[in-house]
Amino acid sequence: GQQVMQIPQYQHVQEGEDFTTYCNSSTTLSNIQWYKQRPGGHPVFLIQLVKSGEVKKQKRLTFQFGEAKKNSSLHITATQTTDVGTYFCAPYAGNNRKLIWGLGTSLAVNP
Amino acid sequence: DSGVTQTPKHLITATGQRVTLRCSPRSGDLSVYWYQQSLDQGLQFLIQYYNGEERAKGNILERFSAQQFPDLHSELNLSSLELGDSALYFCASSVLSGITDTQYFGPGTRLTVL
Repeated sequence: GQQVMQIPQYQHVQEGEDFTTYCNSSTTLSNIQWYKQRPGGHPVFLIQLVKSGEVKKQKRLTFQFGEAKKNSSLHITATQTTDVGTYFCAPYAGNNRKLIWGLGTSLAVNP
Repeated sequence: DSGVTQTPKHLITATGQRVTLRCSPRSGDLSVYWYQQSLDQGLQFLIQYYNGEERAKGNILERFSAQQFPDLHSELNLSSLELGDSALYFCASSVLSGITDTQYFGPGTRLTVL
């Protein structure tokens, strides 16, 4: 089956530092979505990437889809305490429509 | 508030029992997804229904079953419960069934099996 690795599993940063999480697949992806889950909350949709090499920005968040459509990244510039939570990548497998979620990266931000 | 509702919020039961979790999707959404989230397993996709029909299946155990009713609400039935079934169960909904659909998650049902 399709394997998706999300790294790192945990990240602890000082407020103001940058943060990056990576999602790596063993096979080519159709598209990928990113979600954020605050502590005690539910996953909330952030963005979807479809095209090879696509880059999308949301304020301090930059999302990237690899040229080979096998990996993706989320970069946060100058983290804030409001960025705390777990970030999940949700790649779509294509024909079998199986939704393969990464284990997520939990981000903690020290004020 | 995503517009997806789940009941109950919390459920405590014993091993061997059977429970039913309920989900009402956002108005207009035809797809319902069920997920299980536990500390060591992350977010595991269980099953998807679209307009009453099963659309995709993930890591759903045979002891678990789901259905989507004509009014589009969905129920997840968990039977012969084991300690390891203790987890947060999320329902999500989307407009269609396609791979590009955004999923809107409900607040979850926390199941504790004692």
